Amino acid sequence: GAVVSQHPSWVICKSGTSVKIECRSLDFQATTMFWYRQFPKQSLMLMATSNEGSKATYEQGVEKDKFLINHASLTLSTLTVTSAHPEDSSFYICSAPMYQETQYFGPGTRLLVL
Amino acid sequence: GENVEQHPSTLSVQEGDSAVIKCTYSDSASNYFPWYKQELGKRPQLIIDIRSNVGEKKDQRIAVTLNKTAKHFSLHITETQPEDSAVYFCAASSGNTGNQFYFGTGTSLTVIP
Repeated sequence: GAVVSQHPSWVICKSGTSVKIECRSLDFQATTMFWYRQFPKQSLMLMATSNEGSKATYEQGVEKDKFLINHASLTLSTLTVTSAHPEDSSFYICSAPMYQETQYFGPGTRLLVL
Repeated sequence: GENVEQHPSTLSVQEGDSAVIKCTYSDSASNYFPWYKQELGKRPQLIIDIRSNVGEKKDQRIAVTLNKTAKHFSLHITETQPEDSAVYFCAASSGNTGNQFYFGTGTSLTVIP
């Protein structure tokens, strides 16, 4: 199946710093990627749709200035958590669609803000 | 927007028994319904999907049924094995590339040896 990678897999940072997470489609091009957030024992919450060459589309309640998304190429989308605080600690997962609607997920990035 | 509900939230079955997980959706425009399996700390993996022009799809021990009129779809796992233990998520989408997935709340399945 298609491979989607994320980097880093783990990050621990101090409150107030910014953290960048990369999502790459390794063997296919993706004009659209999606970013999700998952709390322990909960479902995946769609945060935003990353569009190559244009602005991201954010879901209601997600702060666009807090979660900056850049989709600079057909294989890379980045999510930057700006001025991170402990409540931003979570599991962040990206996905990319291939062959029409099938979505492939990255391995996730676990963020811990101290 | 789309609202996907999933039941039950937890399910325990004896090895060899069947497991059924049910989901409902609200948006009649949704026409693609995948099911994902997520093991602890890992990425969700697609296990089966169904499109709205099909009522049932089967892949070995896994089957999915769809009732588009009632807006509900179900995952059936037969002859369960301990390695089936995981969290299962249903999702709904309007089915075009780039369209969002909306996930159910998840079902934690435990298969007791």
